[in-house]
Amino acid sequence: DIQMTQSPSSLSASVGDRVTITCRASESISTYLNWYQQKPGKAPNLLIYAASSLQSGVPLRFSGSGSGTDFTLTISSLQPGDFATYYCQQSYRFTQVSFGGGTKVEIK
Amino acid sequence: EVQLVESGGDLVQPGRSLRVSCAASGFTFDDYAMHWVRQAPGKGLEWVSGISWNSGTIGYADSVKGRFTISRDNAKNSLYLQMNSLRPEDTALYYCARLWGTGIPYFDYWGQGTLVTVSS
Repeated sequence: DIQMTQSPSSLSASVGDRVTITCRASESISTYLNWYQQKPGKAPNLLIYAASSLQSGVPLRFSGSGSGTDFTLTISSLQPGDFATYYCQQSYRFTQVSFGGGTKVEIK
Repeated sequence: EVQLVESGGDLVQPGRSLRVSCAASGFTFDDYAMHWVRQAPGKGLEWVSGISWNSGTIGYADSVKGRFTISRDNAKNSLYLQMNSLRPEDTALYYCARLWGTGIPYFDYWGQGTLVTVSS
């Protein structure tokens, strides 16, 4: 099975800060990596697919990069609505999809 | 408008069975693979199972393999998860999600979830 490890598990940041979240796969997954945002009481919402492609309607301050085993999600200037939990997810194998443990972004 | 509506969640005793369902609308259901993802209270997302458009490819997480069975009825635009031998650690909100499969797959639509509680 492909294990996904996210770091940090939580962070505190202020509005306007640049935030970077990392995700590491236990084996190479090319760019089969997606990022989701989840707010309390809501279903996850797709932000980035294929490691670096921005989903329609997602603000340009969100960006993704990486390939192989190491990936990053960057929020260039944190906004009040961005305080949420973020998950990476690999779709390299249909029969063994997996998520990272999540990164909770909190207000400093 | 794409809609996924889960149902069937309940409080059940350990060792018992439960089937949860997902009713899909607003898209051609048999064009898409569908998956179940769960989230235990206060915890992260855990992939549970997935099924291809024609039920030809099915996968399960190790934590549910041999106990859970995913299925779909394309005529009824419905996805199912039969859960047997339930354990307290299966307590979670169960989401169904549509897998966009052109190119690199991702979950583009999610339901609101149905809560399964396993407790005596």
